[in-house]
Amino acid sequence: EVQLVESGGGLVQPGRSLRLSCAASGFTFDDYAMHWVRQAPGKGLEWVSGISWNSGSIGYADSVKGRFTISRDNAKNSLYLQMNSLRAEDTALYYCAKDSGYSYGQGYFDYWGQGTLVTVSS
Amino acid sequence: DIQMTQSPSTLSASVGDRVTITCRASQSISSWLAWYQQKPGKAPKLLIYKASSLESGVPSRFSGSGSGTEFTLTISSLQPDDFATYYCQQYNSYSFGPGTKVDIK
Repeated sequence: EVQLVESGGGLVQPGRSLRLSCAASGFTFDDYAMHWVRQAPGKGLEWVSGISWNSGSIGYADSVKGRFTISRDNAKNSLYLQMNSLRAEDTALYYCAKDSGYSYGQGYFDYWGQGTLVTVSS
Repeated sequence: DIQMTQSPSTLSASVGDRVTITCRASQSISSWLAWYQQKPGKAPKLLIYKASSLESGVPSRFSGSGSGTEFTLTISSLQPDDFATYYCQQYNSYSFGPGTKVDIK
């Protein structure tokens, strides 16, 4: 059974940093691209960032480019999102999602975690 | 950037109704479109990929169609479990539509 478990969320002040983690199990992690998707309270889904199976291709939404960094550790079956210079508008539930394929820019999201909540407030 | 729109934003329907949701892309995305269902407090669930392919385990009352810039999700006979919000997503550059909430009439 595919499982994606996010962690690392919490309350953080504007301008500070936070690192999210996603622990994957139930599938061959290094065969698939992975993504972060967020959902602000009461709002829709927003794709944040994606990474190919070997970290060779990476993409970011314009809203986080230059502030967030996605990475993965295939030996640990883990996906990460380093979030710097956080803003109030980054407040959201952050989901980890598995891509249907190995490459970036070609797959849909077939499994999702339950999310970790990030609140940016002073 | 590819922009996605959905209509309607809210849809009130009854059990047994046929329901259709439309999704439009700002430029052609071929058939690289997925549909997701999200219930309150839950993660999104994949329903349809490649515009018309039904994900394993998803009831056959769900169907998708379209290509290029215009797509539809149809629920042939709405069931109580189907009241939820539905999102389309293009997976060239991953943007989502704003969602369509299906609620009880």
